[in-house]
Amino acid sequence: EIVMTQSPATLSVSPGERATLSCRASQSVSSNLGWYQQKPGQAPRLLIYGASTRATGIPARFSGSGSGTEFTLTISSLQSEDFAVYYCQQYNNWPRTFGQGTKVEIK
Amino acid sequence: EVQLVESGGGLVQPGRSLRLSCAASGFTFDDYAMHWVRQVPGKGLEWVSGISWNSGSIGYADSVKGRFTISRDNAKNSLNLQMNSLRAEDTALYYCAKGGPGGWPSPWFDPWGQGTLVTVSS
Repeated sequence: EIVMTQSPATLSVSPGERATLSCRASQSVSSNLGWYQQKPGQAPRLLIYGASTRATGIPARFSGSGSGTEFTLTISSLQSEDFAVYYCQQYNNWPRTFGQGTKVEIK
Repeated sequence: EVQLVESGGGLVQPGRSLRLSCAASGFTFDDYAMHWVRQVPGKGLEWVSGISWNSGSIGYADSVKGRFTISRDNAKNSLNLQMNSLRAEDTALYYCAKGGPGGWPSPWFDPWGQGTLVTVSS
């Protein structure tokens, strides 16, 4: 199965600053990559699919990029509601696999 | 609005069984594959099992193959997970999730229910 590795494990950012999260696949997943946000006590929510397409209702400050094995999620200006854990997930191969998550915390 | 409501979790002894259910509403249930994804509290996400719209295609993670059985009842808009021979390592929050577009196998999972907690302990 494809192993997804996210970095860093924890990212400390001040409100209004930019956050850049990375996700690496153990083999190419083309652009078949999604990102999820999970807040404490809540289920994951789809943010991005196709590596760069925002899901319905997702603000424009969230953007995704990359293809192959290297991907990035960027939050352009962190709002208080963006502090959460973010997971990447590949859907190029079966089984679908997730990264271990990056926690974005308030600096 | 799509709603997925899981039930059936609880405390169970190792080796025993448990049956989870997910009640779906707000979308045409038999148009989509459905999945179970689990999360050990404070840890990451693991896809467990999925089923196509007509139950013609089913998949399991290696960690549960032979012990868990997924099923669905399109007439009742419900998804089930029969979990047998439970182990301590099956302890997790189990989420029901709707498969993304494009049929089986689903690309992504959207949305997710709030989860039901399964604790396997003596």
